[in-house]
Amino acid sequence: EVQLVESGGGLVQPGKSLRLSCAASGFPVSSSYMSWVRQAPGKGLEWVSVLYSEGNAYYADSVTGRFSISRDNSKNILYLQMNNLKSEDTAVYFCARDLTDYYYYLGVWGAGTPVTVSS
Amino acid sequence: SSELTQDPSVSVALGQTVRITCQGDSLRNYYTGWYQQKPGQAPLLVFYGVNNRPSGIPDRFSGSSSGDTASLTITGAQAEDEADYYCSSRDNSGSHRGVFGGGTKLSVL
Repeated sequence: EVQLVESGGGLVQPGKSLRLSCAASGFPVSSSYMSWVRQAPGKGLEWVSVLYSEGNAYYADSVTGRFSISRDNSKNILYLQMNNLKSEDTAVYFCARDLTDYYYYLGVWGAGTPVTVSS
Repeated sequence: SSELTQDPSVSVALGQTVRITCQGDSLRNYYTGWYQQKPGQAPLLVFYGVNNRPSGIPDRFSGSSSGDTASLTITGAQAEDEADYYCSSRDNSGSHRGVFGGGTKLSVL
């Protein structure tokens, strides 16, 4: 069964760092386009980042320079390293798999992990 | 451009047909994906591309696109279709970024 499970969220102070993990099963993350999407409380979905199977990574303007997406092929885990966190980064973070490896049609989602940035 | 515009809310009588629209420049180059999200749940892809429904999605969900506008149509809306709906596509600026619409809250009356 294809499944994604996020972890690593929690309460963190502004300016600090946090690393989110997304454990995949049923397929190799190395062969898929994998994305992070977030949703602030009561708000809509916001695209955050994508990691191509070829290794290219892209980011939303709001996180460029602070967030880094990566993967561990041996563990089959996708990561999101979040540095210099701001209050506006407070959200539930979802990882998702692209069905087509091009069009960003996110056909598999994890349940999400909540991140709260507050002093 | 990196914006997709949706109506904030739409309502439909039980069993009737409703169309949810999404407008943006990126839709001239990329077909959209449509996501259903119920409270406390992860989004669920319900339609994508030219004419694709993921396995398990009822055939009352369909999509269309013309120019800079895409539509998700629910034919014979059911109570369980009440949810937030989001459109999404790749950004067409060459940035390789993705973009979501602001979401449409569908009420089934």
